[in-house]
Amino acid sequence: SQQGEEDPQALSIQEGENATMNCSYKTSINNLQWYRQNSGRGLVHLILIRSNEREKHSGRLRVTLDTSKKSSSLLITASRAADTASYFCATDGKTSGSRLTFGEGTQLTVNP
Amino acid sequence: GAVVSQHPSWVICKSGTSVKIECRSLDFQATTMFWYRQFPKQSLMLMATSNEGSKATYEQGVEKDKFLINHASLTLSTLTVTSAHPEDSSFYICSAPRQGGTEAFFGQGTRLTVV
Repeated sequence: SQQGEEDPQALSIQEGENATMNCSYKTSINNLQWYRQNSGRGLVHLILIRSNEREKHSGRLRVTLDTSKKSSSLLITASRAADTASYFCATDGKTSGSRLTFGEGTQLTVNP
Repeated sequence: GAVVSQHPSWVICKSGTSVKIECRSLDFQATTMFWYRQFPKQSLMLMATSNEGSKATYEQGVEKDKFLINHASLTLSTLTVTSAHPEDSSFYICSAPRQGGTEAFFGQGTRLTVV
């Protein structure tokens, strides 16, 4: 079963604006990852944050992790129309090995 | 970066027939691969874990006799949907974790339509 919940479920913004997506999970984790999925395609790995990290940056992406609240956020700055996609968080736990549990996803639409 | 290739990208089949989907790791060895099912506008649901040289591990509620998984080599896992029915129509995706890590590389997905 999916343990992650993401909000918002859908987000529509204008090009140049920032997009923030949130993810919550229920069990202890080793790592939390964010993936992107274009419609009808596979997933592409964006960024991984370890349970002992609080913030990580990669280009226009900024991820935060709050293990006390069991939540994470993904911020995309200066969004572009090409960022339109679904974004999923995924966690792996201390007993799950490489098995990932995915959140419900956020559908991001960036309008030109 | 590592590449996982999934084939076919889409398939239409008649009810009662079987369909095989292949998942290949192109430039790394994958002792473990994962098979997911995804309904429109929903998240990925793990169906089974494919283990090279041994039996697959199925998630609760997934029929092992209907979704046959074979992982005969370190670079290939196959999912066969047997006696397909319209309710099996879905998007199927495979993934393989990076060696020594949990970052996953995903195939392109297979859109299965059973008519």
